[in-house]
Amino acid sequence: ETGVTQTPRHLVMGMTNKKSLKCEQHLGHNAMYWYKQSAKKPLELMFVYNFKEQTENNSVPSRFSPECPNSSHLFLHLHTLQPEDSALYLCASSVEFGQGPYEQYFGPGTRLTVT
Amino acid sequence: AQTVTQSQPEMSVQEAETVTLSCTYDTSESDYYLFWYKQPPSRQMILVIRQEAYKQQNATENRFSVNFQKAAKSFSLKISDSQLGDAAMYFCAYRSAKAGGTSYGKLTFGQGTILTVHP
Repeated sequence: ETGVTQTPRHLVMGMTNKKSLKCEQHLGHNAMYWYKQSAKKPLELMFVYNFKEQTENNSVPSRFSPECPNSSHLFLHLHTLQPEDSALYLCASSVEFGQGPYEQYFGPGTRLTVT
Repeated sequence: AQTVTQSQPEMSVQEAETVTLSCTYDTSESDYYLFWYKQPPSRQMILVIRQEAYKQQNATENRFSVNFQKAAKSFSLKISDSQLGDAAMYFCAYRSAKAGGTSYGKLTFGQGTILTVHP
């Protein structure tokens, strides 16, 4: 369970704040992901990075800004969020070359509350 | 686009009994991967089992096994000898076997099934 770590685990922020979520993977993977998990909804893929390059932006509002400085670290910068952005934000990583099945390994998540 | 449906929002089972969680999916692809993930109350999502669509043999991992019916697009999870630690939300997920393109890295998840284990 320590292969993918996320900090902070809990975050409360006002709508005018700026904060960042951090994810780090210790598995030697080349791809990293941000997901949003809201109550009673399937996980929503937000962003995909492969070898530090963003390969997917799943129509995410610009108040969410990802950053991937290297294959082991992923950030999600947050600014002027809305209350409906309150959710569990999950980071994941995987190997995305060679033979599949490319299973993703998840971090424990950051529980975000926007007040 | 692929969709994954878990029709059982909640299930319960007695300790030591067997329970089956259902999952169906819709795809036009012939090569793909299917996964079951478990998310206990502590929230760390962990992989339970995976199945490659090209393999006819059903995957098994200790007490966990799947019933993969490719023609019916069904992928159920059987948990035998249920334990209290099996209590969690279970997600079924689909992933295209294509490398690159719009399918890249995408796991499509079902809505999840909450499993309660009674002592």
